[in-house]
Amino acid sequence: GENVEQHPSTLSVQEGDSAVIKCTYSDSASNYFPWYKQELGKRPQLIIDIRSNVGEKKDQRIAVTLNKTAKHFSLHITETQPEDSAVYFCAASTDNYGQNFVFGPGTRLSVLP
Amino acid sequence: DSGVTQTPKHLITATGQRVTLRCSPRSGDLSVYWYQQSLDQGLQFLIQYYNGEERAKGNILERFSAQQFPDLHSELNLSSLELGDSALYFCASSAHRGETEAFFGQGTRLTVV
Repeated sequence: GENVEQHPSTLSVQEGDSAVIKCTYSDSASNYFPWYKQELGKRPQLIIDIRSNVGEKKDQRIAVTLNKTAKHFSLHITETQPEDSAVYFCAASTDNYGQNFVFGPGTRLSVLP
Repeated sequence: DSGVTQTPKHLITATGQRVTLRCSPRSGDLSVYWYQQSLDQGLQFLIQYYNGEERAKGNILERFSAQQFPDLHSELNLSSLELGDSALYFCASSAHRGETEAFFGQGTRLTVV
């Protein structure tokens, strides 16, 4: 089955700096890669996603890149703000039979003022 | 509001008891996923249903069971509860199998005393 690894587990950056979180997946059948942000005590919410036919996607200060050959994808947050502080989860999913939405272990991002 | 409804929001029960958590997916979503999140931990996958059928199972304990009904709502049954079962239980739903966004409910916080 699919296995998703995520690094780093914790990340502290100064406000205004960039943050990068990296994930790897194992199942070449995975074709959908969402990123979720979870604030303390709240539900995970989608912040950006990418499909396997796209190499990069950007939404304002957030971007995601995908390297299908290497089976890894990354989240980039630029000009970080205190409200970006949260736990971020990557996931890999597929429309094929089998488990969907396999999540990485999460990265706790702290943006220091 | 994600459109995914979980009840109850909070549940306090004693060890050895049995509880049922309920999830109503977004209208039209066929897939339902259950996750367990212990304090400061990641999203541990429990079980997945697609259109009433079990699709994938994670490390779900034998004391736990779930089902998805014809109207697509789902229930997670937890029995012989132990202190270690205290956690936030999330339900998520997606439109099809796994190639579109999964929306999370607000979770049920279970406390076993």
